[in-house]
Amino acid sequence: QQQVKQSPQSLIVQKGGIPIINCAYENTAFDYFPWYQQFPGKGPALLIAIRPDVSEKKEGRFTISFNKSAKQFSLHIMDSQPGDSATYFCAASSASNYQLIWGAGTKLIIKP
Amino acid sequence: DADVTQTPRNRITKTGKRIMLECSQTKGHDRMYWYRQDPGLGLRLIYYSFDVKDINKGEISDGYSVSRQAQAKFSLSLESAIPNQTALYFCATSDPQGAHYGYTFGSGTRLTVV
Repeated sequence: QQQVKQSPQSLIVQKGGIPIINCAYENTAFDYFPWYQQFPGKGPALLIAIRPDVSEKKEGRFTISFNKSAKQFSLHIMDSQPGDSATYFCAASSASNYQLIWGAGTKLIIKP
Repeated sequence: DADVTQTPRNRITKTGKRIMLECSQTKGHDRMYWYRQDPGLGLRLIYYSFDVKDINKGEISDGYSVSRQAQAKFSLSLESAIPNQTALYFCATSDPQGAHYGYTFGSGTRLTVV
């Protein structure tokens, strides 16, 4: 019940396309859902996060869509660029301990 | 200076040797974490500490130990390194009282055990 399942494991998209990465969870106590971006040789960095009181959040070209009833959330990257090529992790936590539970990661490649 | 600093950045060591990875932070966060990253396996939690006197095992603590020397310092030790501990190791901090409770990661230590 503590798991966060992330798919796909890898994704290749042409420049300008809209990659979509999906995550699903079981624990209904989760109330914070961040996405992290990791470039090679670097640690993951917070990209965007959402709480379950909204269904969508946009920051620049990055959008989180959240479906509370389905217990799913996804990351969309609009007008994707080669510089967006990275590994993306979803995560979730609850106010009981604020500890992040991580998805397995998605390696995204944007082809020029 | 980086908010979370890990040393060394790269290390090659021999099987059976003891090795320490160090982490220091200037964020003022109470919570610190050690993760291991292997290709295709994501981030796996080794140990975490919610304050200097509170240290907890994560999902893969066997073969590792930690020391929280101060609020700002959290070290990970491999008492007797083995080749399957070859991985990328990350330290992270968090502040549940902050505006969000996301994590701040260091740049990682790439450890190779030969």
